[in-house]
Amino acid sequence: GQQLNQSPQSMFIQEGEDVSMNCTSSSIFNTWLWYKQDPGEGPVLLIALYKAGELTSNGRLTAQFGITRKDSFLNISASIPSDVGIYFCAGQLRETSGSRLTFGEGTQLTVNP
Amino acid sequence: DSGVTQTPKHLITATGQRVTLRCSPRSGDLSVYWYQQSLDQGLQFLIQYYNGEERAKGNILERFSAQQFPDLHSELNLSSLELGDSALYFCASSVATTAEQFFGPGTRLTVL
Repeated sequence: GQQLNQSPQSMFIQEGEDVSMNCTSSSIFNTWLWYKQDPGEGPVLLIALYKAGELTSNGRLTAQFGITRKDSFLNISASIPSDVGIYFCAGQLRETSGSRLTFGEGTQLTVNP
Repeated sequence: DSGVTQTPKHLITATGQRVTLRCSPRSGDLSVYWYQQSLDQGLQFLIQYYNGEERAKGNILERFSAQQFPDLHSELNLSSLELGDSALYFCASSVATTAEQFFGPGTRLTVL
């Protein structure tokens, strides 16, 4: 089945630093999404990307849909303590009658004040 | 708050038992998805329903089944539970079959 390789697995940064994480796949996806998950909570949608090459921002977050449709990256600028959490990329594949998300393994972000 | 609700929040049961997890989608959403999150497997897609019909199926065990009712809420039934079924179970919903998905808070299932 499809697999998403997400890196890095974990990051330890100082408040104010920029962060970059990415996902690569062996298969093409129709849509790339980025989610953030806090402990004991459900994933929260941050950004959705629908077209190859698309660059989208949401506040301090910027994400891009790779032109090959097999990769995506997420940047967080000027990190703050509340950015702590696990970030997941997800690729959405449209099937004949439905769709599913395939998730990366997650990037655990720690921000030191 | 995504608008997706799940009950119960926590469930503790014994091996061999059967449980039912419930999900109510966001208002206006017709599609419901179920995912399992475990430490060793990560977030895995189980099944999708749209307006009461099954639309996509992942590696869902035969011991697991789901359905979506006319009021659009969905239930995931897990039977003959094993220790390895302990996990977080998430429901997500979307307005259409291929639109972005919004996740509920999850049900933590512990099988003893």
